[in-house]
Formats: sequence, C-alpha cells, structure tokens
Amino acid sequence: NAGVTQTPKFRILKIGQSMTLQCTQDMNHNYMYWYRQDPGMGLKLIYYSVGAGITDKGEVPNGYNVSRSTTEDFPLRLELAAPSQTSVYFCASSYVGGSYNEQFFGPGTRLTVL
Amino acid sequence: ELKVEQNPLFLSMQEGKNYTIYCNYSTTSDRLYWYRQDPGKSLESLFVLLSNGAVKQEGRLMASLDTKARLSTLHITAAVHDLSATYFCAVDYRGSNYKLTFGKGTLLTVNP
Repeated sequence: NAGVTQTPKFRILKIGQSMTLQCTQDMNHNYMYWYRQDPGMGLKLIYYSVGAGITDKGEVPNGYNVSRSTTEDFPLRLELAAPSQTSVYFCASSYVGGSYNEQFFGPGTRLTVL
Repeated sequence: ELKVEQNPLFLSMQEGKNYTIYCNYSTTSDRLYWYRQDPGKSLESLFVLLSNGAVKQEGRLMASLDTKARLSTLHITAAVHDLSATYFCAVDYRGSNYKLTFGKGTLLTVNP
C-alpha cells in the first residue's frame, strides 16, 4: 500500500492565483483531513470529511474549498492565493469505527505564495 | 474548546540522559495520541493511548496516560541522537466528531 499520497511536493504561487492540492489514500479509510502547519507551530485543521460526499469545516477554513466524490480522493482548492496561505499542507486519513482515530499522514505539500 | 498544551516546547539534552515531555489537555478524554515529526518530513504515529493508566513502550520511548489528571507523559530513556525530532501529542473526545486537537509540539535535540 502507498498509504496517503499528496501532489505536488512543492509549489510557488503568485498572489491571486488558484491551485488544487491533491490527496489520495489507498487504505479504504472513511475519514480524511486537511491540515496546515506554519513554522514552529502545531497543526491546524482546515477541512475534514467523514465519507464520500460529506465534508465539514475545521478550525481555519477561510480561503479554501474541498470536495470528496470518492473514498480515495480529497482535493483541497485554494482560490485567490494570499501570502497568509504560505504553509506546509498535510493530508491525513483514518478509519473511524467508534473506537479511536489514529490518523495517517501524507508527505506534505510545501506552498509559498509571493 | 479543547486546549492541548505541551511542555517544554524546546528540549536540548545530552545523549544518555533521561527526560519527560508533558501533555496537558483541558477536557475529559480517554484518547490520546503521540506523533513524531523529523525535520522537513511528515508526522508518524508513535503511540495510541485509550484508557486511564495506559502505558506503551517502544525502544527508548514510553508514553502513559492519566485521564483523571488530564495528563500524558512521553518519557525518554538514555537518549540517542536518532531521537532528535519534534514530538506532538493530540487529543480527541467523544463530542469532537473524532477531530484531533494537536499541541504545539516539543522540539527535541539530542547532543552527543
């Protein structure tokens, strides 16, 4: 299994540009998440999904959009990029069956907005 | 709102020494997670603690959970350079829809 994969690994955007960060998992997990990590900080939840077709906002959703049409994929869309969105973005997934929520993380996308 | 606090945030220690990282959280929970992050890398799951008094060990790392005190500890025994990384604790609770709240992380540097 590849686990959680993310593309691209690195990206530089100009202010106002848009892009989609891709995330795919092959573990048949029902929950998927997008986090951002700013230097020296912990992780902040942007959006999450409990299954195909169901998404919800996390702690810092402004400036982002998500969709989940399949179990495997959970893309994150940035519209009108701003310097404040410069960060490392991690996608994660987990199987939530009522007991606990051990999340497995992708390798991350390092995004710079200039 | 659930708050998760780790201390210390920075820890520089010598090889061979012992130390403990503390993780306090603000609401009732019996589910706590420890992750490791190497510089420039992703997060790797270390331990999942699911009940009061739970203790798990892997090599030189041992994690424990005291749900009554809302405290978890990550104890490092006889540190080696390879343990240098950032360690995060994270908590979820039954009202959170399984969302994890992370601490800010403890940057551990083990010096020869």
